[in-house]
Amino acid sequence: AQSVAQPEDQVNVAEGNPLTVKCTYSVSGNPYLFWYVQYPNRGLQFLLKYITGDNLVKGSYGFEAEFNKSQTSFHLKKPSALVSDSALYFCAVRGLYDTGFQKLVFGTGTRLLVSP
Amino acid sequence: EAQVTQNPRYLITVTGKKLTVTCSQNMNHEYMSWYRQDPGLGLRQIYYSMNVEVTDKGDVPEGYKVSRKEKRNFPLILESPSPNQTSLYFCATNPDSSYNEQFFGPGTRLTVL
Repeated sequence: AQSVAQPEDQVNVAEGNPLTVKCTYSVSGNPYLFWYVQYPNRGLQFLLKYITGDNLVKGSYGFEAEFNKSQTSFHLKKPSALVSDSALYFCAVRGLYDTGFQKLVFGTGTRLLVSP
Repeated sequence: EAQVTQNPRYLITVTGKKLTVTCSQNMNHEYMSWYRQDPGLGLRQIYYSMNVEVTDKGDVPEGYKVSRKEKRNFPLILESPSPNQTSLYFCATNPDSSYNEQFFGPGTRLTVL
């Protein structure tokens, strides 16, 4: 079965510092990986995805993620954090139901707090 | 503007009182889903629909029903809500079954007393 793990419930970083939100995955076959962000009282918004190709994926709002096959990781990064980046971040992997239909399997989420 | 709308956004109800949460999208997407979000559990898919009149169970379907009579609408029905269905619910759409990107509604916070 497909799964993702987000080992940190919360990440604290000062504005202007680099940030990393960790994600590891478990799939059979090639992974399709995603990051979504949830701002307060809003639905999830797509940030970026890795399907194939370059291990460094660039996404919205200056975020990027690094795919590492040997470590089965897909960490989200940003060189310089903003207070407005404070939100809940979800890593997800594409999985399959027994019927063969695809689905998204989400991690438990990591709350990012950026202090001024 | 492309969007997914949900109503109501907030609902407090009592055990056993039937309720419906509506979801509507204006992007002509084939695929629609319902998720529930619970602390420490992330998002879990309740039901999904591949097209009109075609629906299937997700990972946590117990206690829920759905229907897809029109392409744009995908209501979630709780026939007899119970307190363990207190949660934050999201409707989501994607253009097809590839899940390359999903578009989420704003969420419905449901409390069952």
